[in-house]
Amino acid sequence: SQQGEEDPQALSIQEGENATMNCSYKTSINNLQWYRQNSGRGLVHLILIRSNEREKHSGRLRVTLDTSKKSSSLLITASRAADTASYFCATDTSGTYKYIFGTGTRLKVLA
Amino acid sequence: NAGVTQTPKFRVLKTGQSMTLLCAQDMNHEYMYWYRQDPGMGLRLIHYSVGEGTTAKGEVPDGYNVSRLKKQNFLLGLESAAPSQTSVYFCASNPTGQGERSPYFGPGTRLLVL
Repeated sequence: SQQGEEDPQALSIQEGENATMNCSYKTSINNLQWYRQNSGRGLVHLILIRSNEREKHSGRLRVTLDTSKKSSSLLITASRAADTASYFCATDTSGTYKYIFGTGTRLKVLA
Repeated sequence: NAGVTQTPKFRVLKTGQSMTLLCAQDMNHEYMYWYRQDPGMGLRLIHYSVGEGTTAKGEVPDGYNVSRLKKQNFLLGLESAAPSQTSVYFCASNPTGQGERSPYFGPGTRLLVL
């Protein structure tokens, strides 16, 4: 079974709006990562947050981590059409860097 | 520095045929992984390796075998391909040590089993 479950499965917003997607996981983690995947393409690493961190920023991206609730959120501010993609969270649960991926959120940003 | 490369990029097999996918990295990384991604799904871990000569099973290892004879190469084998193995296969590698790090992914191999 997949470690991470993203919510929502699909999200459609207007350009300029903010997009929030959530990831829940089942076991304790060392770190959590977010990736973007454009249709039919490879994975692009967005951000890594360690288990002892609560929030991280990178450009228009903001990631939060709540280890007590075993959940993380990815916020994309001022979205653009180019942000249209699938977004995945991945967790490293055992310290061996065996990253387990979630099911993904499909984001569509309408121009 | 080519990063992570995968060979081939695309392949069509008939049911029962065998093939080997090659993943190569030139970053001296210890950890290497093979994932598969089915349409509309996330990546699922097939096998991984924590160093030369080692392999371990991931989430969906059945029907696949792997070898890590050289540190830079991680091979994924399908002994008798089945239509259920039609997927996109991604290889990744990761360095050891502390600090910010993330797996480096290859571009993927599209496999179609008829």
